[in-house]
Amino acid sequence: VQLVQSGAEVKKPGSSVKVSCKASGDTFTLFSFSWVRQAPGRGLEWMGRVIPILATAIYAQKFQGRVTITADKSTSTAYMELSSLRSDDTAVYFCAREQGSSSSVYYFDHWGQGTLVTVSS
Amino acid sequence: QSVLTQPPSVSGAPGQRVTISCTGSSSNIGAGYDVHWYQQLPGTAPKLLIYANSNRPSGVPDRFSGSKSGASASLAITGLQAEDEADYYCQSYDSSLSAFSVFGTGTKVTVL
Repeated sequence: VQLVQSGAEVKKPGSSVKVSCKASGDTFTLFSFSWVRQAPGRGLEWMGRVIPILATAIYAQKFQGRVTITADKSTSTAYMELSSLRSDDTAVYFCAREQGSSSSVYYFDHWGQGTLVTVSS
Repeated sequence: QSVLTQPPSVSGAPGQRVTISCTGSSSNIGAGYDVHWYQQLPGTAPKLLIYANSNRPSGVPDRFSGSKSGASASLAITGLQAEDEADYYCQSYDSSLSAFSVFGTGTKVTVL
């Protein structure tokens, strides 16, 4: 399994960014996917997740109203769109495939290479 | 600030054993939720190291081991090697935040 993300972006404050994550193989709908970000020199922060087969997403409280996570089953691609960008949104954004079940805590067994989003005027 | 606290740094000489703690509370680890561990080498994506408290994915050396007790979990690295120098993160679930996933604050392991 490979998760290949789109390239680096430079955005102005107040704008939006959309990052893609294409999964190899034909098992896309068997899994769910999360987005995790990491600001420069900082730790990992979970943003939200999408279940492609149900087309449903949930988001961390911190990002509610600003993030939209979607999935396109026809292209095995997950997307993360973040709006109203601020300078502190500058970070590397990772997608990750989830493993586990509803009765346990999901973990992330495959990760994309990361996409640097820089927010600067 | 994360609800899962890790020491900022630990260090050890090659061949030594180091442990990294992940301290939570009654709304996460203490409630019985599983803990997973990741290794992040500089400039790369995190890599799954331990899942469900103590299980190693195939390909992860048995020098890495995980355990959980009460509201804390630990990652041990025995026979420390230069290539183990990296950042390490624990991950779990927290019911008070209704957060699907929370990460620990992260620990930098330095091989002296």
